[in-house]
Amino acid sequence: QQQVKQSPQSLIVQKGGIPIINCAYENTAFDYFPWYQQFPGKGPALLIAIRPDVSEKKEGRFTISFNKSAKQFSLHIMDSQPGDSATYFCAASIPLYSGAGSYQLTFGKGTKLSVIP
Amino acid sequence: DGGITQSPKYLFRKEGQNVTLSCEQNLNHDAMYWYRQDPGQGLRLIYYSQIVNDFQKGDIAEGYSVSREKKESFPLTVTSAQKNPTAFYLCASSIEGAGANVLTFGAGSRLTVL
Repeated sequence: QQQVKQSPQSLIVQKGGIPIINCAYENTAFDYFPWYQQFPGKGPALLIAIRPDVSEKKEGRFTISFNKSAKQFSLHIMDSQPGDSATYFCAASIPLYSGAGSYQLTFGKGTKLSVIP
Repeated sequence: DGGITQSPKYLFRKEGQNVTLSCEQNLNHDAMYWYRQDPGQGLRLIYYSQIVNDFQKGDIAEGYSVSREKKESFPLTVTSAQKNPTAFYLCASSIEGAGANVLTFGAGSRLTVL
């Protein structure tokens, strides 16, 4: 119930291509879906996030598509660049308990993206 | 600049030794977290703390201990009871009641058991 399944595990695209990373979840109580980007030797950083009442969110070259009925969401990177090479994690958030102001994030296992020139 | 400072960045430990990883934040965030990252395993929650002097076990707390004596600090001790401690450890913080859990991460500490 708490799992977030992410695919593919690794992805190689040419510069300018559009890599797509997919995630699926089971627990319908999840109410916030962020994506984190991590460069080698660094901590993850929030990239973009979406709530389930929205089907798409775009920030620069990064777009999240969300399908509530299928319980799936995906990250698209337009015009990918070598500098986008990193590991990407999807996540899903749920309140720690009813009425809580704190939430617990469940992460996918990550996708290592390599963008080759 | 506000952020999270983790130290040391690299740490080597002999089997049977306890080791403490430091995490300090100057973001004035209420909640703090420790995650463990292994290749191909994503990030798994070890412990979290919503307020000072209170903390809760996460999904993989066995063999670890924490304390939260100050709002700014959330050290993690990896004890000799942790069977496979070699990993990359990440500390994070978030604002309480922000409406969603937006985590700010530190740069991590890599622990290697020899």
